Amino acid sequence: DGGITQSPKYLFRKEGQNVTLSCEQNLNHDAMYWYRQDPGQGLRLIYYSQIVNDFQKGDIAEGYSVSREKKESFPLTVTSAQKNPTAFYLCASSGTGHYYEQYFGPGTRLTVT
Amino acid sequence: AQTVTQSQPEMSVQEAETVTLSCTYDTSESDYYLFWYKQPPSRQMILVIRQEAYKQQNATENRFSVNFQKAAKSFSLKISDSQLGDAAMYFCAYSRFTGTASKLTFGTGTRLQVTL
Repeated sequence: DGGITQSPKYLFRKEGQNVTLSCEQNLNHDAMYWYRQDPGQGLRLIYYSQIVNDFQKGDIAEGYSVSREKKESFPLTVTSAQKNPTAFYLCASSGTGHYYEQYFGPGTRLTVT
Repeated sequence: AQTVTQSQPEMSVQEAETVTLSCTYDTSESDYYLFWYKQPPSRQMILVIRQEAYKQQNATENRFSVNFQKAAKSFSLKISDSQLGDAAMYFCAYSRFTGTASKLTFGTGTRLQVTL
């Protein structure tokens, strides 16, 4: 089945450690996105990529980094510089053009203690 | 910057009744899209309905319909014949076109409860 996978579903890390969240899609989409969701807030855009080897900062990119070496993969690294990393992280993908629907993965819940 | 406001943190509806969720947005652009997403307890985001700003006709998807008032920058979602499976968080979202990617700006959500 076509879709987006995120692994793991739950992730625990100690403060000061970098952690990488996985996002893979087999929808042949060019664009991919990372969102962060906190309680009582909507999703906020961290980074997005429109094509391989290219990505742009979203609204809350500080403390995060990404790479896009393959069309199917868009991993997100939460660095130790991120002050409040505990959150629910959602990856999405879409076709490119004037508008294409974004499809979301199941998300990763990151807890940093 | 674009903003999306959902002023109803929680709503409740009886099964088989109709409920309307409110959303307002702020933008200076004329070409954009608006969406309603549903997030059930599984936390999977599901697209419910979308509206193109250039279309005057309100979008409809089965029991879901919108009331799009472009001048008022209002975009409400009406759920008819509510079902238990409609219980979820509902997010209103605005999409701006950046060249090839569609970036979404979300509201803070409305939690919908469906009672028997």
